[in-house]
Amino acid sequence: AQSVTQLGSHVSVSEGALVLLRCNYSSSVPPYLFWYVQYPNQGLQLLLKYTSAATLVKGINGFEAEFKKSETSFHLTKPSAHMSDAAEYFCAVMGYGNKLVFGAGTILRVKS
Amino acid sequence: DAMVIQNPRYQVTQFGKPVTLSCSQTLNHNVMYWYQQKSSQAPKLLFHYYDKDFNNEADTPDNFQSRRPNTSFCFLDIRSPGLGDAAMYLCATSRGRTSQETQYFGPGTRLLVL
Repeated sequence: AQSVTQLGSHVSVSEGALVLLRCNYSSSVPPYLFWYVQYPNQGLQLLLKYTSAATLVKGINGFEAEFKKSETSFHLTKPSAHMSDAAEYFCAVMGYGNKLVFGAGTILRVKS
Repeated sequence: DAMVIQNPRYQVTQFGKPVTLSCSQTLNHNVMYWYQQKSSQAPKLLFHYYDKDFNNEADTPDNFQSRRPNTSFCFLDIRSPGLGDAAMYLCATSRGRTSQETQYFGPGTRLLVL
């Protein structure tokens, strides 16, 4: 069965610093992977998705993620954090029956 | 802009009093999903409709029901809310059910049970 593990339930960075949110997946088939962002009391917004076209995926708001099959990882990065990036981030894999399987989420805090 | 709309954004109900949450979409998508998200947890799929075909998750309590009267609207009915049903309820849509399909989420309805 497909699953994702997000390492670190909370990540804190300074404004302007690199953002790195970690996601490892488990899948018996080539995975389709997604990163979503959730601001407080809001729904989930798609940041980017990997569908095997390219290993480096660029998303909205300056985020990108690299698919590494050898490491079964799909980490999310942004070169320079902004205060508005403070939110919860969910990694997800498309699972059996074409259902999204979410990780537990990582709360990103950005310090001024 | 095409979008997923949920009403109301906040809903307060009493223990045991039936409540209905609403979702509408202007994307003309075939699939509509309902997720439950409890505090500090990932969203959990309750059920989904593919067109008129209803698909319930095995562990969704019988207390939760859904209706989809047309392509645009989908409702979540909680017949007898308990305190443990207090959560954010998220509606999502997708064009189809292939592996690459993106799910588009609404803003959610936060349910409080008194």
